[in-house]
Amino acid sequence: AQSVTQPDIHITVSEGASLELRCNYSYGATPYLFWYVQSPGQGLQLLLKYFSGDTLVQGIKGFEAEFKRSQSSFNLRKPSVHWSDAAEYFCAGGANFGNEKLTFGTGTRLTIIP
Amino acid sequence: DAMVIQNPRYQVTQFGKPVTLSCSQTLNHNVMYWYQQKSSQAPKLLFHYYDKDFNNEADTPDNFQSRRPNTSFCFLDIRSPGLGDAAMYLCATSRDRGTSGYEQYFGPGTRLTVT
Repeated sequence: AQSVTQPDIHITVSEGASLELRCNYSYGATPYLFWYVQSPGQGLQLLLKYFSGDTLVQGIKGFEAEFKRSQSSFNLRKPSVHWSDAAEYFCAGGANFGNEKLTFGTGTRLTIIP
Repeated sequence: DAMVIQNPRYQVTQFGKPVTLSCSQTLNHNVMYWYQQKSSQAPKLLFHYYDKDFNNEADTPDNFQSRRPNTSFCFLDIRSPGLGDAAMYLCATSRDRGTSGYEQYFGPGTRLTVT
């Protein structure tokens, strides 16, 4: 079965420090992969997406993610976090052409400390 | 700016009293989705429309219904809300199934409280 796993429920990072949020996927073929961010009481905002091609993907707000087929991972990174990055982050995957549904991971809550 | 709009942002209803949540989009996307999200959980897909084709998830209770009268609007009807239906309801859209991919664009959500 298709699945997306986010191993970390909660991560705390100091402001200005680097960040990496983990995401692993299980699909029969290379999936489409996404990272979304959700601030409290808000909808989900797309940070970045991977369909094919270059495995290092740049997104909004200074985020990037790297697709690693050998590790079935799509980890999200940011070199220096800001207090405004505190939010819930969801990794999501979609099967190949012909299926418009996404499978979401359980999310990682990011806390930023001064 | 093109966007996904949800009204109202906050809705309070009584136990058993029907309620309708609204979603509209200016993106002209073919696909519209309704998700239920409870506190500290991932969004759970209830159903989606591909154009006029309705696709229900197998575990969506019959209490939840949806209508899509045209491309721009989609409604979520909860016929007899229970306390367990209190949640954030998210509407999303995506362009198509095409090879360019189908990232979903989300509205701000409607927070439903059942008293």
